[in-house]
Amino acid sequence: DAKTTQPPSMDCAEGRAANLPCNHSTISGNEYVYWYRQIHSQGPQYIIHGLKNNETNEMASLIITEDRKSSTLILPHATLRDTAVYYCIVSRLGAGKLIFGQGTTLQVKP
Amino acid sequence: DAGVIQSPRHEVTEMGQEVTLRCKPISGHNSLFWYRQTMMRGLELLIYFNNNVPIDDSGMPEDRFSAKMPNASFSTLKIQPSEPRDSAVYFCASSLDRGIYEQYFGPGTRLTVT
Repeated sequence: DAKTTQPPSMDCAEGRAANLPCNHSTISGNEYVYWYRQIHSQGPQYIIHGLKNNETNEMASLIITEDRKSSTLILPHATLRDTAVYYCIVSRLGAGKLIFGQGTTLQVKP
Repeated sequence: DAGVIQSPRHEVTEMGQEVTLRCKPISGHNSLFWYRQTMMRGLELLIYFNNNVPIDDSGMPEDRFSAKMPNASFSTLKIQPSEPRDSAVYFCASSLDRGIYEQYFGPGTRLTVT
């Protein structure tokens, strides 16, 4: 599976959009980009996934560059409850396992 | 649905003792995953099952660790004998199938080995 690179930490003001970047320059054509987050002391929570098109759900939007070498997770209106570690993962469909890196610690501030 | 259930939530044991962690996946889910999380190593996959069969156990640290899934609604992770370096939070997760993107995680078991 391709490796991902994320900034270790980011801050965001409450009510503003949080844009979390992820680099995955060695991604293969059949690998998806997944995003999970982990709020302190809880198990990770799935957010969104995508292959090459931009995706949106009730939690977030995922923007994948045309060359698929990087992506951005967007939380449109961050709240204090969005403070968490956000993991960007690349994996093949059907691979089963997800390999979590160090992620980005997002701190949403009032 | 109650989600993934893990027990116990906290376990404190002495070095050398046997530890058994338990997991009940979400009903209808065919894949089950065991992860371990520490400050030093982050979140690591230990083993995963599909239809009760172990598919990949390459993350199991050593022979002291074993995992079983006797049926679709129950799995155990056993450490025998336990060591202080096994102290961690152990998460169980399940998904509809291994090809499905969304894994549902349980609340975790915090293990402390003294």
